[in-house]
Amino acid sequence: DGGITQSPKYLFRKEGQNVTLSCEQNLNHDAMYWYRQDPGQGLRLIYYSQIVNDFQKGDIAEGYSVSREKKESFPLTVTSAQKNPTAFYLCASSRQYSEAFFGQGTRLTVV
Amino acid sequence: AQSVSQHNHHVILSEAASLELGCNYSYGGTVNLFWYVQYPGQHLQLLLKYFSGDPLVKGIKGFEAEFIKSKFSFNLRKPSVQWSDTAEYFCAVNEGTDKLIFGTGTRLQVFP
Repeated sequence: DGGITQSPKYLFRKEGQNVTLSCEQNLNHDAMYWYRQDPGQGLRLIYYSQIVNDFQKGDIAEGYSVSREKKESFPLTVTSAQKNPTAFYLCASSRQYSEAFFGQGTRLTVV
Repeated sequence: AQSVSQHNHHVILSEAASLELGCNYSYGGTVNLFWYVQYPGQHLQLLLKYFSGDPLVKGIKGFEAEFIKSKFSFNLRKPSVQWSDTAEYFCAVNEGTDKLIFGTGTRLQVFP
């Protein structure tokens, strides 16, 4: 089936550790996105990529890093510099300027 | 900076009541507009979208939205809500780039 796969669904991290969230799409979309969803704050854009080997910071990029080495993949690393990493992370992809399709999300908890 | 405002944070309705959720955006150029819905425990899915043409757009499940350029608004409406419409609703805008910005969301509760 075509779609966006995020893994893992739940992730626990110790303070001070980096962790990488996976996002893969087989929709042949050029654009991919990472959002963070917190209660009452909606979806806030972390990073987005319009094309392979290129990406731009969103509104809350501090403490996060991404790569876009392949069209299908857009992994997000939550670094130890992110002060409040516990959240629900959503990955999405889209054709150019079109509607985004979302994955099921990864819930990250720092313990 | 581009922003999207949803003024209704939590709306409570009885079944068969009419619904209107507000959405305003700040960007003054050409925009593409979207409403997404997130049902409890499910992933975000598209309700409807506006790119150009007729400013009144119809989406799934009886929802519609009207783009009013002069008011920078894209309000979502449904004439008669159902219990199954209980969900969180998000307005989103892209400004002709691929930077897609979301509002803070409106939580809708519908009671039978």
